[in-house]
Amino acid sequence: GQNIDQPTEMTATEGAIVQINCTYQTSGFNGLFWYQQHAGEAPTFLSYNVLDGLEEKGRFSSFLSRSKGYSYLLLKELQMKDSASYLCAVMDSNYQLIWGAGTKLIIKP
Amino acid sequence: ETGVTQTPRHLVMGMTNKKSLKCEQHLGHNAMYWYKQSAKKPLELMFVYNFKEQTENNSVPSRFSPECPNSSHLFLHLHTLQPEDSALYLCASSQERGVGGGETQYFGPGTRLLVL
Repeated sequence: GQNIDQPTEMTATEGAIVQINCTYQTSGFNGLFWYQQHAGEAPTFLSYNVLDGLEEKGRFSSFLSRSKGYSYLLLKELQMKDSASYLCAVMDSNYQLIWGAGTKLIIKP
Repeated sequence: ETGVTQTPRHLVMGMTNKKSLKCEQHLGHNAMYWYKQSAKKPLELMFVYNFKEQTENNSVPSRFSPECPNSSHLFLHLHTLQPEDSALYLCASSQERGVGGGETQYFGPGTRLLVL
């Protein structure tokens, strides 16, 4: 079966760095997405990786290793507004998105 | 992205009621999706429309009925729901289906549904 694993919850301190991991087993691979979802709001697109390596967008970076079935989202200089759930999703060979259950990130002052 | 709107934002209905959820996208996209989001579970894809044609129905019970009159509007008609159908229902859109990065999906704020 197809499976996406990510930690259920993480806690970090304002101003620090946090890495949210995602491992996947899917039928084929057409890219990996990260979304941010604040409580009661829509998921918003953060990043898309289809090739191995690190993609940087301001305070957020996303890494992919296709051979290891692994990705991480790196958040730097954490702010209180970064408290949210972070969703990892992989597009399989049928172009269907397989979603993880999300990682709830709690930022403490 | 705030180009996808959904109404109503909250809905309480009895098991014998009939109601409809509405989604509208202002992004010029050609694919639209309905998802169900339950607490601590992955997003569940329900229906996909690509260029107004339904391309996927992921074993969704017939008490959920989608309608896509044009590429900008999507409806989810609800009837005789069960309490376990209580969840957040999210609509999303993308440029089109089946092109990898071109399929980045943009979500609406969702309808929080409670079935009593």
